[in-house]
Amino acid sequence: EAQVTQNPRYLITVTGKKLTVTCSQNMNHEYMSWYRQDPGLGLRQIYYSMNVEVTDKGDVPEGYKVSRKEKRNFPLILESPSPNQTSLYFCASSSYTGQGTGEQYFGPGTRLTVT
Amino acid sequence: AQSVSQHNHHVILSEAASLELGCNYSYGGTVNLFWYVQYPGQHLQLLLKYFSGDPLVKGIKGFEAEFIKSKFSFNLRKPSVQWSDTAEYFCAAADNQGGKLIFGQGTELSVKP
Repeated sequence: EAQVTQNPRYLITVTGKKLTVTCSQNMNHEYMSWYRQDPGLGLRQIYYSMNVEVTDKGDVPEGYKVSRKEKRNFPLILESPSPNQTSLYFCASSSYTGQGTGEQYFGPGTRLTVT
Repeated sequence: AQSVSQHNHHVILSEAASLELGCNYSYGGTVNLFWYVQYPGQHLQLLLKYFSGDPLVKGIKGFEAEFIKSKFSFNLRKPSVQWSDTAEYFCAAADNQGGKLIFGQGTELSVKP
């Protein structure tokens, strides 16, 4: 079954404790992206990657890191989480053609609380 | 600056009513446009997309959208909503050459049985 998986689904942590949220897709998609969803703000793109070893900033990259060492994986790293990073995080993947990104397939989401 | 704006934050309709959700975008070049839906407690799913060609796009579950370039709009429509359409709807735009994707703030639709 074609899918995007994220782990963990729920995470409560404390300020400053480094964490990683994993994202994996089995559709051989070139493009992967991370978003955060906050009430009234919709989804905001954190980072995206158009292929292995190619990453770029979205609209809200501060406080986050990513890497794309393999095509299927795109982990999101919070080196020193702060309470303002409490949010619902979604990973997504899509094919990438000459017309740009296609339909994005979203993971189930990771609800992060930073106290 | 690139942006996507959805006019309605919360829409309440009765079953069988017609729906139109507004979406306007501001982008420098050629854009790809999308509507996604998020049912309660679920992740986002694609309703429809526009890359080029016929500006009237049909999607799943009876939804359609019209791309009006002169108005920078991509409004979502459905002739007759059902209770099961209760969800949050997001409009999104992407540069057709890059990877940046911008979402609108979302519109919460509540359909009363």
